[in-house]
Amino acid sequence: AQSVTQLDSQVPVFEEAPVELRCNYSSSVSVYLFWYVQYPNQGLQLLLKYLSGSTLVESINGFEAEFNKSQTSFHLRKPSVHISDTAEYFCALSSNTGKLIFGQGTTLQVKP
Amino acid sequence: KAGVTQTPRYLIKTRGQQVTLSCSPISGHRSVSWYQQTPGQGLQFLFEYFSETQRNKGNFPGRFSGRQFSNSRSEMNVSTLELGDSALYLCASSSLIGNNEQFFGPGTRLTVL
Repeated sequence: AQSVTQLDSQVPVFEEAPVELRCNYSSSVSVYLFWYVQYPNQGLQLLLKYLSGSTLVESINGFEAEFNKSQTSFHLRKPSVHISDTAEYFCALSSNTGKLIFGQGTTLQVKP
Repeated sequence: KAGVTQTPRYLIKTRGQQVTLSCSPISGHRSVSWYQQTPGQGLQFLFEYFSETQRNKGNFPGRFSGRQFSNSRSEMNVSTLELGDSALYLCASSSLIGNNEQFFGPGTRLTVL
């Protein structure tokens, strides 16, 4: 069975500090990995994705994630967060189907 | 390009009623997936449709059903509503089989009283 575990339910951090949101996954087959962000009362927005190739993937707003196959991890990092990054972040995986399996989510709370 | 649209955005029903939610995918996208989001269970996959055929189904009772039309628009139906069906129902569309980059709509907030 496939699963995703987000190791922190809440991560409080001060503005301009670095942050890491941790995600581990379990799968017996190759997977695609995603990070989605959800702002209050909105749907999910794709932040970044790992499909193949370079294990380090970046988003346009400064987030990056590294696919680590040996540790089955896909942690999300940002060197300097802003108040506007306050949101819930979901790590997800899929294999060769149209089904996404999500972690339980991590609430990132950026404080001034 | 317009994004995924879902109607209605908010819905209040009572136990025992049924409800139909609608999703219009991004133009050109032929795959539509549905998810249920609750505080307790998180995001759970309901089903996926591609070219009017259900390709995958999650672990939900038969009260949850869906369909897809020839224009790729999709509906999901929940019959005999229960209090536990209160949730945000999210629809996502995708253009390619195997590339599972899915684009989500804003969701329909269903409240069952």
